[in-house]
Amino acid sequence: KQEVTQIPAALSVPEGENLVLNCSFTDSAIYNLQWFRQDPGKGLTSLLLIQSSQREQTSGRLNASLDKSSGRSTLYIAASQPGDSATYLCAVFNAGKSTFGDGTTLTVKP
Amino acid sequence: KAGVTQTPRYLIKTRGQQVTLSCSPISGHRSVSWYQQTPGQGLQFLFEYFSETQRNKGNFPGRFSGRQFSNSRSEMNVSTLELGDSALYLCASSLGGTSSGNEQFFGPGTRLTVL
Repeated sequence: KQEVTQIPAALSVPEGENLVLNCSFTDSAIYNLQWFRQDPGKGLTSLLLIQSSQREQTSGRLNASLDKSSGRSTLYIAASQPGDSATYLCAVFNAGKSTFGDGTTLTVKP
Repeated sequence: KAGVTQTPRYLIKTRGQQVTLSCSPISGHRSVSWYQQTPGQGLQFLFEYFSETQRNKGNFPGRFSGRQFSNSRSEMNVSTLELGDSALYLCASSLGGTSSGNEQFFGPGTRLTVL
């Protein structure tokens, strides 16, 4: 059974800092991995999708990496801003099932 | 291009009642997946529909069911509501579904409260 773990559960940083969020999964037989952002009480916003054959994806200040063999992904956020405050979730997709981590709640202080 | 829409946004029901939630995917997307999100269990996969057929199913009791119409709109039904069914129900659409490696796009969710 696939399990997804995100560490840390919460993170608080001052504005302008670079930071890394971690996601680990137990079954490396995945189709892809997707990072999402969720604001309180809202739906999920897709940030980055990494296919199983890819090593990383970039979008603006965000960079996500994937190491299937070790079951790890990281989301790097450069020059953090207060507007980045949200919960970040990673999800892995395989064999028609999707498994989400519990998320990392990020607070960026002005 | 319009995003994923869900109706209603908020719903209050009492135990024993049933409820139907609706999801309209992004135009051209043929796959709709449903998820339940609670503080205690996190985000859990309910089921996925593709071209009107249920393709995958999570570990939820038979009280949870769904269907998809020819225009790809999907409905989810929960019968005999229990207090523990209170949650944010999210749907996601994609071109080919979770087995195809396509990106998933989520709607704003329906907040269901069972009293």
